[in-house]
Amino acid sequence: EAQVTQNPRYLITVTGKKLTVTCSQNMNHEYMSWYRQDPGLGLRQIYYSMNVEVTDKGDVPEGYKVSRKEKRNFPLILESPSPNQTSLYFCASSLFPASGGEGEQFFGPGTRLTVL
Amino acid sequence: LAKTTQPISMDSYEGQEVNITCSHNNIATNDYITWYQQFPSQGPRFIIQGYKTKVTNEVASLFIPADRKSSTLSLPRVSLSDTAVYYCLVGSLYNFNKFYFGSGTKLNVKP
Repeated sequence: EAQVTQNPRYLITVTGKKLTVTCSQNMNHEYMSWYRQDPGLGLRQIYYSMNVEVTDKGDVPEGYKVSRKEKRNFPLILESPSPNQTSLYFCASSLFPASGGEGEQFFGPGTRLTVL
Repeated sequence: LAKTTQPISMDSYEGQEVNITCSHNNIATNDYITWYQQFPSQGPRFIIQGYKTKVTNEVASLFIPADRKSSTLSLPRVSLSDTAVYYCLVGSLYNFNKFYFGSGTKLNVKP
């Protein structure tokens, strides 16, 4: 089954304790992205990657890191989490370049993070 | 960066056709228009995508006027299960543009 998986699905942590949210896709997609979703703000892009070892900042990159060492994996790293990073996080992937239109992004199930 | 403006919410009744309009005045030449649907605590799901004129698939139609500064998602005969948030998205992977989702439109379908 074609899918994007994220782990963990739920995480409660404390300020300053480094954490990693994993993301993996099995569709051989080149393009992957991380979003955060907060009430009233919709989805905002944190980082994206066009291919292995190619990443770039989205709209809200501060406080986050990413890496793309393998095509299928795109982990999100919070080196020193703070309460304002409490949010719902989504990983997404898509085939790039998509023929014709831009194709669709496939989203993971989400990771709900609480930073105390 | 092409931003989008949508109504915050809409109400409808089962069996009606629903049209949700999105404004994107700064759309670039290479940008496509994509609509996603999101249920609570789930990731967004692709509905439809287009560049100009009209696109139709098994679940929706997308109308794009010649100037491409707006677009309308049309959902025929909605049901209760169509209650969700709908996002209009403008972007282009070819130009490595960042995608802007906006706040979306909360569609509430009533019986």
